[in-house]
Amino acid sequence: GAVVSQHPSWVICKSGTSVKIECRSLDFQATTMFWYRQFPKQSLMLMATSNEGSKATYEQGVEKDKFLINHASLTLSTLTVTSAHPEDSSFYICSARGGQGKGGYTFGSGTRLTVV
Amino acid sequence: AQSVTQLGSHVSVSEGALVLLRCNYSSSVPPYLFWYVQYPNQGLQLLLKYTTGATLVKGINGFEAEFKKSETSFHLTKPSAHMSDAAEYFCAVSSSTGTASKLTFGTGTRLQVTL
Repeated sequence: GAVVSQHPSWVICKSGTSVKIECRSLDFQATTMFWYRQFPKQSLMLMATSNEGSKATYEQGVEKDKFLINHASLTLSTLTVTSAHPEDSSFYICSARGGQGKGGYTFGSGTRLTVV
Repeated sequence: AQSVTQLGSHVSVSEGALVLLRCNYSSSVPPYLFWYVQYPNQGLQLLLKYTTGATLVKGINGFEAEFKKSETSFHLTKPSAHMSDAAEYFCAVSSSTGTASKLTFGTGTRLQVTL
């Protein structure tokens, strides 16, 4: 079945540093990937839509300079949290559409980011 | 525009009892509807989806859901709950099968299964 691999699964970093999260579609091509943020015991909030070979589309209120998205190939999208601060601590999840039959979305396993 | 409402942020059932998780949607176009399950610190796993065709959809782990257009509902059911069903469940809607079509989530329902 379709698999989306997300790494790292967890990361701890110091305030002011940058962290890169990778999302790969392993057995299908994903021209579009989605990045979500999830706060504890809450739903998923769409941050941005990542488009292969072009700029990402950010949702209202999401700082594009803080959350850099690059979709360099049909199987890889990256989210870089720049100059991270404790309030950026959260669970980040990527997803891609494809490989699940008509209409299906496949999700990565998520990345727990803790900024200290 | 599309939205999803999940009634009940927390549902508790006894092991072996019926599971019913409610989901109502709003969409200006024919919806594609999904149920996902999330275990702690993990991503989302697809339980089932409705796109077109048969309105009663069967998914994994014994779950099923029925698309009722007249009620704008897509409730998730399972005849007999198991301890391993304890998790967070999300209903979601998208507007088409296009790869760039966004998925809109409900607020989630935490299912607790007791002995």
